[in-house]
Amino acid sequence: NAGVTQTPKFRILKIGQSMTLQCAQDMNHNYMYWYRQDPGMGLKLIYYSVGAGITDKGEVPNGYNVSRSTTEDFPLRLELAAPSQTSVYFCASSYELYGYTFGSGTRLTVV
Amino acid sequence: AQTVTQSQPEMSVQEAETVTLSCTYDTSENNYYLFWYKQPPSRQMILVIRQEAYKQQNATENRFSVNFQKAAKSFSLKISDSQLGDTAMYFCAFMIHQAGTALIFGKGTTLSVSS
Repeated sequence: NAGVTQTPKFRILKIGQSMTLQCAQDMNHNYMYWYRQDPGMGLKLIYYSVGAGITDKGEVPNGYNVSRSTTEDFPLRLELAAPSQTSVYFCASSYELYGYTFGSGTRLTVV
Repeated sequence: AQTVTQSQPEMSVQEAETVTLSCTYDTSENNYYLFWYKQPPSRQMILVIRQEAYKQQNATENRFSVNFQKAAKSFSLKISDSQLGDTAMYFCAFMIHQAGTALIFGKGTTLSVSS
């Protein structure tokens, strides 16, 4: 089915470890986004991309990195995981001014 | 900077009743879009309804409708004939009229529908 695929769905990391959250879309959308959702805080933008090779910071980029080598993929890298990065992470994509398509989210716990 | 405020952290309603969720926003832009998203316990984000700021007519989608008051910067969601499946977190979101710009979300309202 067309859409946004996120992997993994769940992950537990130890403090200081690194990992990459994968995001792929098959709708040929130019725009892709990473959000984190903390309880009672809504979704906050981490990074976004307007096309392959172009990325920019959102509201809460510290501790994360992204790359966009292809239109389809937009991985989010966590270096030196900290407890403050415990959250649910959502990837999304959009075409022009139409609504977003969201992935199903990754629940990350840092212990 | 744009902000979105949802002043009701939690609401409850009985089946078949009508409930209204509130949302206010702040922006100096004139062209923008407003959205309501539903997040059930499955965690999936589902678009409920969308409103273009240049349209005076309020958007409707089956049992869901909005009351868009541009001058007051208010965008409430009315759910009619509430169903148990409407139980979810509801997020109000804002986006300016520019391709590739990010959605800005409110903190959400948890709606519980009981029988």
